[in-house]
Parts: sequence; C-alpha cells; structure tokens
Amino acid sequence: AQSVTQLGSHVSVSEGALVLLRCNYSSSVPPYLFWYVQYPNQGLQLLLKYTSAATLVKGINGFEAEFKKSETSFHLTKPSAHMSDAAEYFCAVSDPGGYNKLIFGAGTRLAVHP
Amino acid sequence: EAQVTQNPRYLITVTGKKLTVTCSQNMNHEYMSWYRQDPGLGLRQIYYSMNVEVTDKGDVPEGYKVSRKEKRNFPLILESPSPNQTSLYFCASSLTAGTSSETQYFGPGTRLLVL
Repeated sequence: AQSVTQLGSHVSVSEGALVLLRCNYSSSVPPYLFWYVQYPNQGLQLLLKYTSAATLVKGINGFEAEFKKSETSFHLTKPSAHMSDAAEYFCAVSDPGGYNKLIFGAGTRLAVHP
Repeated sequence: EAQVTQNPRYLITVTGKKLTVTCSQNMNHEYMSWYRQDPGLGLRQIYYSMNVEVTDKGDVPEGYKVSRKEKRNFPLILESPSPNQTSLYFCASSLTAGTSSETQYFGPGTRLLVL
C-alpha cells in the first residue's frame, strides 16, 4: 500500500530564508507525486507534480521539488521565503495503475516571520 | 471562470439529521471525488466517480452516499450524520480518470460540525 510521510507538522522560517518541506513516500511501483498548497479558508491548489519525466520539477510561486528514487523522497524547496508563502502544504502520491486516487501526507504548516 | 463549487461552506447540524453537500464543476470533467480532511491525517478519499452513473468507494466510505446523475454534479449525502463525521470536506475533479497523473482541482471546502 502506498503512504506518504511529511516530516514536521509545523515549520517556521524567516522571510528571505530557504524553505525546505520534507516528504517521503512508500510505493511498490514508480509513483506520481504531487505537492498541493492550502491557503487559509481555501481549497487545495497544485504547486507541482512529478510524472516520471525530469526528476527536478519546477512549480508555481518559485517552488521546486526533486524526486530521489534512492531516498524515496520528494522534498519541496524555495530559495527565499515570502510572507505570502504562509500556508499548509500537502505531499501526495498516486498509483499509476489506480484511478486518480491521491494518498496525502498529514500536511506541514509553514509560518513565515519577518 | 473554471472552478469547483461547494455548498454550503459551513454547516452545523445535529446527530441523525440527513444532509447533502453539493459539488459542481464547470470544466466538463469526467472524474470527481470527495475527500475529508482531519488534523494530523491529511485528506482521505470518501468516494469517487469516473463518469456519470459510475461511482465507487474510496478509503473511508462508511456513513456516506453519493450520486452522479449529471456530469457536472456530485453531491455527498450523509443519511444519519454522527459526531465522528465532523470534518472539512473537499470535492475535487479532473479531466479524466484514465491516468492518475491528472491534476485534480479542488473546491473551497465545506466545514461540517455534527453535534
């Protein structure tokens, strides 16, 4: 069965600092991987996704993630945090043989302070 | 504007009183699904639908029903709500279910409190 682990339910960074949100997955087949962001009182919005093309994936708002098969990881990074990045971030995996079901991690809440 | 809409956005009800949460998408998507979000658990799929009249259970279907009579609508029905169904609910849709790399588009969420 597939699963996703997000290390750190809360991460706090200073404005301008590096953002690193960790995601490890478990899957018996090469997975598709996603990062979604949820701003307060809003639905989830796709940041980026890995679908077995390039291992370094660039997304919206300056975020990127690198798929590392050997480490079963898909960590999300942004070089310089902005106050508007404060939100909850979810990593998710789907089974290429499945019907679009996403398995989500528990989420990481990112706080950005001046 | 392409979007997924849900109504109501907030709902307080009592145990056993039937309720329906509506979901509608205007993108002509074939695939729709419902998730619930609980603290520390992320989102879990309740039901999904691959097309009109085709629905199936997700990971946590107990206590819920769905129907897909039209392509654009996918209501979630709680016949007899219980307090453990207090949660934040999201509807999502994608163009097809043919490949699980499809981007899913999420509605704004419905916050439900069952007393």
